[in-house]
Amino acid sequence: QKEVEQNSGPLSVPEGAIASLNCTYSDRGSQSFFWYRQYSGKSPELIMSIYSNGDKEDGRFTAQLNKASQYVSLLIRDSQPSDSATYLCAVRGGSSASKIIFGSGTRLSIRP
Amino acid sequence: NAGVTQTPKFQVLKTGQSMTLQCAQDMNHNSMYWYRQDPGMGLRLIYYSASEGTTDKGEVPNGYNVSRLNKREFSLRLESAAPSQTSVYFCASRPDDYGYTFGSGTRLTVV
Repeated sequence: QKEVEQNSGPLSVPEGAIASLNCTYSDRGSQSFFWYRQYSGKSPELIMSIYSNGDKEDGRFTAQLNKASQYVSLLIRDSQPSDSATYLCAVRGGSSASKIIFGSGTRLSIRP
Repeated sequence: NAGVTQTPKFQVLKTGQSMTLQCAQDMNHNSMYWYRQDPGMGLRLIYYSASEGTTDKGEVPNGYNVSRLNKREFSLRLESAAPSQTSVYFCASRPDDYGYTFGSGTRLTVV
């Protein structure tokens, strides 16, 4: 079992709709959770971090964390073509306190 | 602010050649990391340095060595390059309890 799992996609969402990206992790001791966006040929860019159960909102982005279910998600409201990218879920803590473990990413495509 | 600077951006090596990838950060971060990214494999940790003077192996350390030269600089060395090391390499740094800042990457091809 991979430590951090994501559906590779592609996930196709119409412009203006809500895109929902999901991630599960295996280490129950994990403490910090991150979402990165990566455009093709570019480096990953941190867009959200969440540390406690519940929702965290930042503009059009909402991160949701459920530690009991070992599940973290990212919602993108009012999706724009510029949101088309690969989204990487990342987890820190537990047995990997000094380092961050990444999922393999979900490719999101926003269709006009 | 430069953030995390990696050099070179592109490199082609012949099998058996050696090279060093350079990374420097100007954010006074304690922790620095080297990842490789391959299609369908996500980001895999090669080595990391939690603080100046310490280095530790990550998920895929074989064929690589690292040096944490000072707080700013963390280099990755390939002693004898192999085609399996063809990849995009990212250096990253982070403050104590936050996410990474990545460099722009080095696209390495070993022929």
